[in-house]
Amino acid sequence: GDSVTQMEGPVTLSEEAFLTINCTYTATGYPSLFWYVQYPGEGLQLLLKATKADDKGSNKGFEATYRKETTSFHLEKGSVQVSDSAVYFCALRRGGTSYGKLTFGQGTILTVHP
Amino acid sequence: IAGITQAPTSQILAAGRRMTLRCTQDMRHNAMYWYRQDLGLGLRLIHYSNTAGTTGKGEVPDGYSVSRANTDDFPLTLASAVPSQTSVYFCASSDAGGASDEQFFGPGTRLTVL
Repeated sequence: GDSVTQMEGPVTLSEEAFLTINCTYTATGYPSLFWYVQYPGEGLQLLLKATKADDKGSNKGFEATYRKETTSFHLEKGSVQVSDSAVYFCALRRGGTSYGKLTFGQGTILTVHP
Repeated sequence: IAGITQAPTSQILAAGRRMTLRCTQDMRHNAMYWYRQDLGLGLRLIHYSNTAGTTGKGEVPDGYSVSRANTDDFPLTLASAVPSQTSVYFCASSDAGGASDEQFFGPGTRLTVL
């Protein structure tokens, strides 16, 4: 079945540090890939997405590139802020299906210190 | 615009009791989902509904039931709660099959079964 694996957390960084959160997936066909973010006490919200190989999703300074050859969708940001502290989830939606059932990774807790 | 509302915000429940978690969306989305979030496991799909009048089983459906009598409401029922159902429950909706496949999440219900 489909699965998503994220790097082990939690991740603790100082403000302005470079961030990478690794994500790899297993799925049949050509899935769409997503990063969702969950701020403390809130539900998840979409951060960025990519729907085909070599697409780059970007939002709020975060980027991720859909790498089919390595089945990866790593999240990066060049300079993190304290306000980026949250839980980040990588997810996939299997390609070819009409409806949006998502498979999530286990989540990575990010804490950014001033 | 409220988006997705969930009730209650939190609940402590005795084992064996029946409980219904409520979810309402005002975006006229056709698809709705219920997830549970557990530390280290990410979000797992419990049940989903592609459109009013239809429902389907997700990854972890045992012990839960849903109904979709109309577009806006998607209640989740625990017929006889057990401690392993202690979790945070998120309802989500999407315009599945539409131009955007983004899922929108409610704020969650924190359920403790003793």
